[in-house]
Amino acid sequence: AQSVAQPEDQVNVAEGNPLTVKCTYSVSGNPYLFWYVQYPNRGLQFLLKYITGDNLVKGSYGFEAEFNKSQTSFHLKKPSALVSDSALYFCAVRDGRGTNAGKSTFGDGTTLTVKP
Amino acid sequence: SQTIHQWPATLVQPVGSPLSLECTVEGTSNPNLYWYRQAAGRGLQLLFYSVGIGQISSEVPQNLSASRPQDRQFILSSKKLLLSDSGFYLCAWSPRQGVTDTQYFGPGTRLTVL
Repeated sequence: AQSVAQPEDQVNVAEGNPLTVKCTYSVSGNPYLFWYVQYPNRGLQFLLKYITGDNLVKGSYGFEAEFNKSQTSFHLKKPSALVSDSALYFCAVRDGRGTNAGKSTFGDGTTLTVKP
Repeated sequence: SQTIHQWPATLVQPVGSPLSLECTVEGTSNPNLYWYRQAAGRGLQLLFYSVGIGQISSEVPQNLSASRPQDRQFILSSKKLLLSDSGFYLCAWSPRQGVTDTQYFGPGTRLTVL
């Protein structure tokens, strides 16, 4: 079985400050981890993914995420938040083994609000 | 480049009426296709996924069904809508070749059942 948890429904940060959106996961095999962003009434957009290799993954719009195997986490980060980063963020996990191959499990989402 | 289309963008339907939502993908072949529902702007629920024409897997028992009549066309249907079918429906595709690949989402259809 695979699962993902986003422990915070809401994250508020001031513009220019660093931001972190948390994600933890559980899989049987090797985890493939993804972050997506959704703006109001739009589809999800891919930000970045971890498959293998360097634990620090860099993605679109200045976002990055750090894979931590011992803590089973994949937190999304950005050094300096912009008001335009305000959106709903989803973490997703896909188990590379077994019958879940090809299907991702999404977290419930975290609403990020960046205030000027 | 690949694009994914969904229509209609918005739909208001009475309880008990039929439903047909369409999704098409351009610029790729043999994609995996997915239907998700998002309730109240929160988490995504996988409804159906397809790895090929006529091959549909249902993830959640309900009054919805899906069909894939062509390689890049995915249709979500219902014979009789329920109030609980209201939500934001998202279609997505991913390349066939491996489990590591990203899913790409369409713009979504907002369905309101009254």
